[in-house]
Amino acid sequence: ETGVTQTPRHLVMGMTNKKSLKCEQHLGHNAMYWYKQSAKKPLELMFVYNFKEQTENNSVPSRFSPECPNSSHLFLHLHTLQPEDSALYLCASSQVGVPLITGELFFGEGSRLTVL
Amino acid sequence: AQSVTQLDSQVPVFEEAPVELRCNYSSSVSVYLFWYVQYPNQGLQLLLKYLSGSTLVKGINGFEAEFNKSQTSFHLRKPSVHISDTAEYFCAVSAGNQGGKLIFGQGTELSVKP
Repeated sequence: ETGVTQTPRHLVMGMTNKKSLKCEQHLGHNAMYWYKQSAKKPLELMFVYNFKEQTENNSVPSRFSPECPNSSHLFLHLHTLQPEDSALYLCASSQVGVPLITGELFFGEGSRLTVL
Repeated sequence: AQSVTQLDSQVPVFEEAPVELRCNYSSSVSVYLFWYVQYPNQGLQLLLKYLSGSTLVKGINGFEAEFNKSQTSFHLRKPSVHISDTAEYFCAVSAGNQGGKLIFGQGTELSVKP
């Protein structure tokens, strides 16, 4: 069992569909993150959750809706997406406050999203 | 606010040759610096980090990086690369006054050829 597991690994959806991405961490961490990775662009931090509470929303459009039911699970609900939302969505986890000191985020393998 | 610039988007190199991947940052405060590696179809993993102390930092897989405050650089080096080092490498910076948020560079694609 890998530390951070993301499902599905690949997703193709139409602009009117509703789908969800799931992330689960088995590391006992209490902070979880969603990043967007587009080709030739820096990773973009989308959302941060500390102890299930959202502590950062980086001006993400409302068509992306995160949910963190507990410290081990993180979801990204998707609806009425645009083709430019096609990207690799990476989930990461860490201990609260750890990025401030060690910067060690543990990443999942990502969910490759294609919006038609 | 901080920013990170990786000066090369692609670096092709032959196996067993040395390599340097360049990273420059800008920040008005003290920073922590990191290199992450992303192998094909995988997530990112930490390669090495500079928090304080010695400016030469050693990481996994024979990589090292040197923090140069006067030049605001944190270049990654390896004296002899292997085919298995083919991957994308990301430089990242974190400043204490930004709540520890990591800012990533655009990435450098290292391609090692036989």
